[in-house]
Amino acid sequence: DVKVTQSSRYLVKRTGEKVFLECVQDMDHENMFWYRQDPGLGLRLIYFSYDVKMKEKGDIPEGYSVSREKKERFSLILESASTNQTSMYLCASSLPSGQGNQPQHFGDGTRLSIL
Amino acid sequence: AQSVSQHNHHVILSEAASLELGCNYSYGGTVNLFWYVQYPGQHLQLLLKYFSGDPLVKGIKGFEAEFIKSKFSFNLRKPSVQWSDTAEYFCAVTPNQAGTALIFGKGTTLSVSS
Repeated sequence: DVKVTQSSRYLVKRTGEKVFLECVQDMDHENMFWYRQDPGLGLRLIYFSYDVKMKEKGDIPEGYSVSREKKERFSLILESASTNQTSMYLCASSLPSGQGNQPQHFGDGTRLSIL
Repeated sequence: AQSVSQHNHHVILSEAASLELGCNYSYGGTVNLFWYVQYPGQHLQLLLKYFSGDPLVKGIKGFEAEFIKSKFSFNLRKPSVQWSDTAEYFCAVTPNQAGTALIFGKGTTLSVSS
């Protein structure tokens, strides 16, 4: 079974702090994704990566950056946290689209509160 | 831009009622289609997927979905819901090409009363 592990289930930070959310997958997947989930808005893509050191902006990248130094790890960084970044953050991974169009596998999520 | 619309924000049903959740997408090319479910307090799980072939796909827990290309739709159905189906359901689409990510609908909350 694919395992996508997010480092924290709950996190509370202060406005202006630099925040790191970590995600690790154990299935050697090339693709990794960060979403935020808000009530009534569904899941919105922040960034994704289809290879080590590669990254692509999603729909809402402003205020965020990412790092993919190793294949299994994909980090989301809030450069200077703001209250409107309070949300549930979901990490996902998948094989590349060309390999049987594999679905994405999700972690449990990190509920981040910015005070 | 590509988008996914889920018509119902909140659906309330009694046990044994039939379920149909609507999903439409906007993309002119070949797509891969998914339904995910999120039970309370749990992570997103894949219910079913369509890549090609038979447009009627069957998933886990008695769910099925039908891809109607002419209507750009991928509606989810279940003949008889159970209380344990209470969850949030997300339709998602991705173009059939490398380097793309899922585009999700806003979700439908299903509440089933026993």
